[in-house]
Amino acid sequence: GQQVMQIPQYQHVQEGEDFTTYCNSSTTLSNIQWYKQRPGGHPVFLIQLVKSGEVKKQKRLTFQFGEAKKNSSLHITATQTTDVGTYFCAGVNSGGGADGLTFGKGTHLIIQP
Amino acid sequence: DGGITQSPKYLFRKEGQNVTLSCEQNLNHDAMYWYRQDPGQGLRLIYYSQIVNDFQKGDIAEGYSVSREKKESFPLTVTSAQKNPTAFYLCASSAKRGTPISAFGSGTRLTVV
Repeated sequence: GQQVMQIPQYQHVQEGEDFTTYCNSSTTLSNIQWYKQRPGGHPVFLIQLVKSGEVKKQKRLTFQFGEAKKNSSLHITATQTTDVGTYFCAGVNSGGGADGLTFGKGTHLIIQP
Repeated sequence: DGGITQSPKYLFRKEGQNVTLSCEQNLNHDAMYWYRQDPGQGLRLIYYSQIVNDFQKGDIAEGYSVSREKKESFPLTVTSAQKNPTAFYLCASSAKRGTPISAFGSGTRLTVV
C-alpha cells in the first residue's frame, strides 16, 4: 500500500533558525496536504498542493511539491516560539478523496529560546 | 462558529466494555472521518463516511463500528474486540469527497483500565 515517509522525526532549533521537514511517498500523489498540530491539540489544515513543481508561501512558511509529485517539503524561515508543534504531511493517492489520504508520522519541531 | 464537537474529552473504559465516542459537526460537510493517533505516529484512518447512511472501512477498522444516520453526526463505537483501544481519537470532516480535511475535532483520549 501507499507509504508516506516524513523526516526528520524530531528537529531542535534555536529561535530564529530555519526549519525544514521532508515528505516522500512510495507512489505518485494526486495532491499533498500539510497540517500542524500544537502540543495537546488537534491537527489544523495549512495548505494543499496539487500541481507538479508547485510552490506556495504563507508568510514565513514555504511549501513545495516535487516535479514527480512524490515528495514535498515545508520550510519555515526564522522560526518563532509559536511555530512549536508537529507538522504532518498527508498524501492523496491517485484514487482521490480523503479516504485515500495517508499521513506521515510527522516532524516534531522543538524551539529553544 | 462552525466546527466539530467531540465528546467526551477524556474517557476511561474497563476491559470488555463497549464505548461510544461522539462527533457532531455544524459545517454542513458531506464527508466525515475517524482517525486514531498513537504517540509518535501519524493519523490512521478507522472509518469514513461520504454521505448519510453510508460509510466505509479505513485501514484499521477491526474492533470499531460507526453509524451515519444524520449528516451532522458520526459516532464511533470502540468494541471489546479492539485489542489495544487506548489512544487519541480524532473526528474530522471535509466539504465533500476529494476536498481536503479542513476541520478536526479536539479529540477524545480513551484509556482502558
